[in-house]
Amino acid sequence: GAGVSQSPSNKVTEKGKDVELRCDPISGHTALYWYRQSLGQGLEFLIYFQGNSAPDKSGLPSDRFSAERTGGSVSTLTIQRTQQEDSAVYLCASSLVLGTAEAFFGQGTRLTVV
Amino acid sequence: AQSVTQPDIHITVSEGASLELRCNYSYGATPYLFWYVQSPGQGLQLLLKYFSGDTLVQGIKGFEAEFKRSQSSFNLRKPSVHWSDAAEYFCAVGLFFQGAQKLVFGQGTRLTINP
Repeated sequence: GAGVSQSPSNKVTEKGKDVELRCDPISGHTALYWYRQSLGQGLEFLIYFQGNSAPDKSGLPSDRFSAERTGGSVSTLTIQRTQQEDSAVYLCASSLVLGTAEAFFGQGTRLTVV
Repeated sequence: AQSVTQPDIHITVSEGASLELRCNYSYGATPYLFWYVQSPGQGLQLLLKYFSGDTLVQGIKGFEAEFKRSQSSFNLRKPSVHWSDAAEYFCAVGLFFQGAQKLVFGQGTRLTINP
């Protein structure tokens, strides 16, 4: 596609429920990232994919968070047993070129846990 | 540890005035540096980047930035701001480690434009 696409754009969920956030990167981009943006915390790195592998998962805040990528394309970020502190904007980005970290971002998914 | 500091949380300038947003980084090697802009409710848009070569780089929307190794800085400038420049601006450095890469961001600077 023309840009990084994320869905849904907004998600309201009840505390304790599981949620899945989807990211469709720019066609041909092999690198994919998830970031979280919340008030007071800025932009936090969550996970990096190269193809279908995730050599850097260091930013995942707890074992309730997981992500996968299939076919070197679409990625899904799953949050299990959501907590109120999970409320944030989740941003996905992708890169064509390895070695510069230049990334193109999607519009984000705003997650609200009530 | 590698880090990015944006000393100004919020800046207000008048429309038509010049702008400079500060960014300092901590990184051992030659850095890959970026400025992104985020309008309310939107994702991040890449304004400009520095990889090597000419230390003054031009970006979109009339922005430029200058890399100064001696000061570990990469400040963003615009000679005359427009009301549409009101947004949040993020400076970032590329980080590479064991086959992985990512961007490390500063805390952001919110820009308000007075008419």
